[in-house]
Amino acid sequence: DTEVTQTPKHLVMGMTNKKSLKCEQHMGHRAMYWYKQKAKKPPELMFVYSYEKLSINESVPSRFSPECPNSSLLNLHLHALQPEDSALYLCASSQEFHREAFFGQGTRLTVV
Amino acid sequence: DQQVKQNSPSLSVQEGRISILNCDYTNSMFDYFLWYKKYPAEGPTFLISISSIKDKNEDGRFTVFLNKSAKHLSLHIVPSQPGDSAVYFCAASDMGNQFYFGTGTSLTVIP
Repeated sequence: DTEVTQTPKHLVMGMTNKKSLKCEQHMGHRAMYWYKQKAKKPPELMFVYSYEKLSINESVPSRFSPECPNSSLLNLHLHALQPEDSALYLCASSQEFHREAFFGQGTRLTVV
Repeated sequence: DQQVKQNSPSLSVQEGRISILNCDYTNSMFDYFLWYKKYPAEGPTFLISISSIKDKNEDGRFTVFLNKSAKHLSLHIVPSQPGDSAVYFCAASDMGNQFYFGTGTSLTVIP
């Protein structure tokens, strides 16, 4: 199994809503990542988990809250988002830190 | 500050010919480089990587070249196929501490 599965694929939420993005991998990878990608831009790293511990938080606003319940799962909790947070949110995992990563298909988030 | 740059936003190549995608970086601490391919509305797919101790790595139709003195790497695809049409991102890592994607090059392979 070489897949990273993200749910949902699409999400529309209001600025007062609370929602969560989910990511799952069963490759035994030790590092998991959240990226944000805007149109025609490269992915931007948001959070990195290594051995289920948050190791890097790239100055992301607190309205984004990551959680790693176990070595296979990664969540991104969203609250009080702004329209400019609309983007493709990508989850990835890798065996070694910042080496070959497998990406999920992404969640297309629209904040209205 | 864009530490990894792909100066060509787009590239068009005839099917069967060679595609050469270029990437420049500024940080001499980068020790590992990767190329990813991305289709619209999908996540990036890993293609090929190279460690800074090497200057070439080959995998089928894909070859990555690294010129450390010039802080430059390139991806060669030969022969190019229409299915190779996608956005290609180079990426660099400094001993696992930081990770940067380049700005991307959109490749179109013309049948």
